[in-house]
Amino acid sequence: EAQVTQNPRYLITVTGKKLTVTCSQNMNHEYMSWYRQDPGLGLRQIYYSMNVEVTDKGDVPEGYKVSRKEKRNFPLILESPSPNQTSLYFCASRASGYQETQYFGPGTRLLVL
Amino acid sequence: DQQVKQNSPSLSVQEGRISILNCDYTNSMFDYFLWYKKYPAEGPTFLISISSIKDKNEDGRFTVFLNKSAKHLSLHIVPSQPGDSAVYFCAASANFGNEKLTFGTGTRLTIIP
Repeated sequence: EAQVTQNPRYLITVTGKKLTVTCSQNMNHEYMSWYRQDPGLGLRQIYYSMNVEVTDKGDVPEGYKVSRKEKRNFPLILESPSPNQTSLYFCASRASGYQETQYFGPGTRLLVL
Repeated sequence: DQQVKQNSPSLSVQEGRISILNCDYTNSMFDYFLWYKKYPAEGPTFLISISSIKDKNEDGRFTVFLNKSAKHLSLHIVPSQPGDSAVYFCAASANFGNEKLTFGTGTRLTIIP
């Protein structure tokens, strides 16, 4: 079954405590990205990766890091989380050039105290 | 600067009637548009798309209309069913889908039995 998995699904943490949200896809997709969803703002892209070792900033990259060492994995790293990073995060993957093939993960709800 | 806007945060429609969800965009470079549907605790899933070379695209009960001069698109669902209750996001891309997606803020559709 084609899927994008994210872990953890829910996370409560404190300001400044480094955390990583993992993302994995089983469709051999080249393109992966991270979004955050906030009320009244829709989904905004944080970072994206067009292939292994190729990453670039999206619309709201401040405070986040990513890496793409393997094609299937695209972790999102918050080195020093702050309360304004409290949000719902989605990982997504798709084949290059085919927006319709974009699959989203189930989401990770993060609360930073 | 919200380049893709969905001005109705919510919409309620009687079962069996037509649901019309609207989306406006400001960036004239956008030439590929998609609608996503999102259920609670799940990631968005692709619903239907349209390229700027067309003004209408149909898929079963779902039809998307594009008015390029008004920079406006709409999603029609007919007849509406209880399972259509979800949040709907429109998204836009430039370069016929090869550029990143910019999402709207979403419209919560509730179908009343």
